[in-house]
Amino acid sequence: AQSVSQHNHHVILSEAASLELGCNYSYGGTVNLFWYVQYPGQHLQLLLKYFSGDPLVKGIKGFEAEFIKSKFSFNLRKPSVQWSDTAEYFCAVKKYGGNKLVFGAGTILRVKS
Amino acid sequence: KAGVTQTPRYLIKTRGQQVTLSCSPISGHRSVSWYQQTPGQGLQFLFEYFSETQRNKGNFPGRFSGRQFSNSRSEMNVSTLELGDSALYLCASSPGQLEGNYEQYFGPGTRLTVT
Repeated sequence: AQSVSQHNHHVILSEAASLELGCNYSYGGTVNLFWYVQYPGQHLQLLLKYFSGDPLVKGIKGFEAEFIKSKFSFNLRKPSVQWSDTAEYFCAVKKYGGNKLVFGAGTILRVKS
Repeated sequence: KAGVTQTPRYLIKTRGQQVTLSCSPISGHRSVSWYQQTPGQGLQFLFEYFSETQRNKGNFPGRFSGRQFSNSRSEMNVSTLELGDSALYLCASSPGQLEGNYEQYFGPGTRLTVT
């Protein structure tokens, strides 16, 4: 069965620090990859997605992610975090040709101002 | 375009009761998926409906069921509620075609508390 692993459950950073959240998945076929964010009290929003092509994808609010097929990874990065980035971040994988998202356990990011 | 809407936003039920949650997808979207979010289990796929048919199902007991109407609106039902059913239930919509690349758009969720 597909599974998604997020390496850190809680991350605390100071403002302006760089962020990298790890995500690995187990599925050998073609996949679509996503990062969703859930701000406190708000619903899940799509941060960025990878379907095909350039493995470095850019999303909203300065976030980017790199798909490394050989490592089954899709890590999320941001060069300089802000207090407003405090949220829970979820990596999700979908088999191409399916509509079921498999989510990682989530990473709670707290940014100290 | 209006986003995914879910009603009600909050529900409190007693063990043994049943509950029905509703989801209206983005206009033009034909696929509706349901997910359960809990602190312990995270986000787990319940089922997906497309053109009034269940196309995929997760590993949940038969007490969890759903349906989709001709206008793509969907309902999910949980019968004989248990304390462990307390969760945020999320609905997501997408255009629905399996071939092609589409993301899912999530609604705000229904917070169900079972006492």
